[in-house]
Amino acid sequence: SSELTQDPAVSVALGQTVRITCQGDSLRSNFASWNQQKPGQAPRLVIYREDDRPSGISDRFSGSISGNTASLTITGAQAEDEADYYCNSRDSSGDYVFGTGTKVTVL
Amino acid sequence: QVQLVQSGTEVKKPGASVKVSCKTSGYNFIAFYINWVRQAPGQGLEWMGRINPKYGVTEYAQKFQGRVTMTRDTSISTAFMEISSLKSDDTAVYFCAREDSDEMSRGYSIGWTIWFDPWGQGTLVTVSS
Repeated sequence: SSELTQDPAVSVALGQTVRITCQGDSLRSNFASWNQQKPGQAPRLVIYREDDRPSGISDRFSGSISGNTASLTITGAQAEDEADYYCNSRDSSGDYVFGTGTKVTVL
Repeated sequence: QVQLVQSGTEVKKPGASVKVSCKTSGYNFIAFYINWVRQAPGQGLEWMGRINPKYGVTEYAQKFQGRVTMTRDTSISTAFMEISSLKSDDTAVYFCAREDSDEMSRGYSIGWTIWFDPWGQGTLVTVSS
């Protein structure tokens, strides 16, 4: 199956904005959703349908897609946003695939 | 509310099998696919496959073909995932997740979007002699 590539780690100052990207050929024809995972916890959906947020997810989180790259933006990052973030999508064979994951550190 | 509750921690010897359950509540069980995802220690998420609870039809990632079996029992709204011939590198946390999906316009074409929500709490499977 195809791969979805993410930067391994990013850092952001408290209250600033950070963008996490997810690149892959399958994203030229499909969309990505985004999941947040904190240590010792199950993943939690934060963005779906490109830029929709489930109930209870802060409006600090937003999503977009262009070409073969999906992006998750955290605007005004807070300490509780420190986590691993994974994109996921459907590839050309019909299998589902996750991104390699990005660790976000809030300084 | 929608909940997925998984069975507890398992410790198995190499060559054995393990069966993990995922009990759902709060929605129509047969209306949504259930997916299984695993995470080895310190590693990322890996999609294993999914089951259509209405018909029992399954799709497996190529890596797990022949070694993973996904089933369901509609009478108790529960999905199951069994792995046979366990090896040490099957040591991982196994998650179930409910799938939803939609078609969306993407420029002049139609694109597909899928998402997993909610997730089960995870089941740790340790394979050790």
